[in-house]
Amino acid sequence: GQQVMQIPQYQHVQEGEDFTTYCNSSTTLSNIQWYKQRPGGHPVFLIQLVKSGEVKKQKRLTFQFGEAKKNSSLHITATQTTDVGTYFCAGAPGNMLTFGGGTRLMVKP
Amino acid sequence: SQTIHQWPATLVQPVGSPLSLECTVEGTSNPNLYWYRQAAGRGLQLLFYSVGIGQISSEVPQNLSASRPQDRQFILSSKKLLLSDSGFYLCAWSGVQGGSQPQHFGDGTRLSIL
Repeated sequence: GQQVMQIPQYQHVQEGEDFTTYCNSSTTLSNIQWYKQRPGGHPVFLIQLVKSGEVKKQKRLTFQFGEAKKNSSLHITATQTTDVGTYFCAGAPGNMLTFGGGTRLMVKP
Repeated sequence: SQTIHQWPATLVQPVGSPLSLECTVEGTSNPNLYWYRQAAGRGLQLLFYSVGIGQISSEVPQNLSASRPQDRQFILSSKKLLLSDSGFYLCAWSGVQGGSQPQHFGDGTRLSIL
């Protein structure tokens, strides 16, 4: 079936290093969304990208939507311990949102 | 503003016992509602979604069922729990505009089956 794939599955970084997670779909997405789930918590909606090639920033987080609307990335500059958690992308190949498997980010202080 | 309530926060049940988890949404009308299950350290598995009262779609064959008796109430049930039903259950809602809208999650229920 239609899937949204996300890599890497895990990432350990030293505090201050950058981090990037990638999301890919085999079909064109109407939009891409990003969520963050803190350890022990629930996913929280961060942002939605709709336009081809769109780039949005939230402080140290930069979100990109590919030109073909089939891939996306989330980049965190200078990670902090508060960035720890699992980041999920979610896209709609059809009329239902499909979540990627998530990237678990661990930050060493 | 919209809020979503899910309870209980944690639940320990014996194998073979029944289950009822409830989710309610406030501050919005005719939301799309979803039940997900998340195994430890894993992704989100969509179990059920509903676009209206009495309308339930099941994504995977399983031991669970869902009902939507009221516009903003979504219930997850089982007649007999299995060990494999353990997990973190999350309820979510999205706007009426369609299934591709951002979803907003409740705090979840951690279910342990003994």
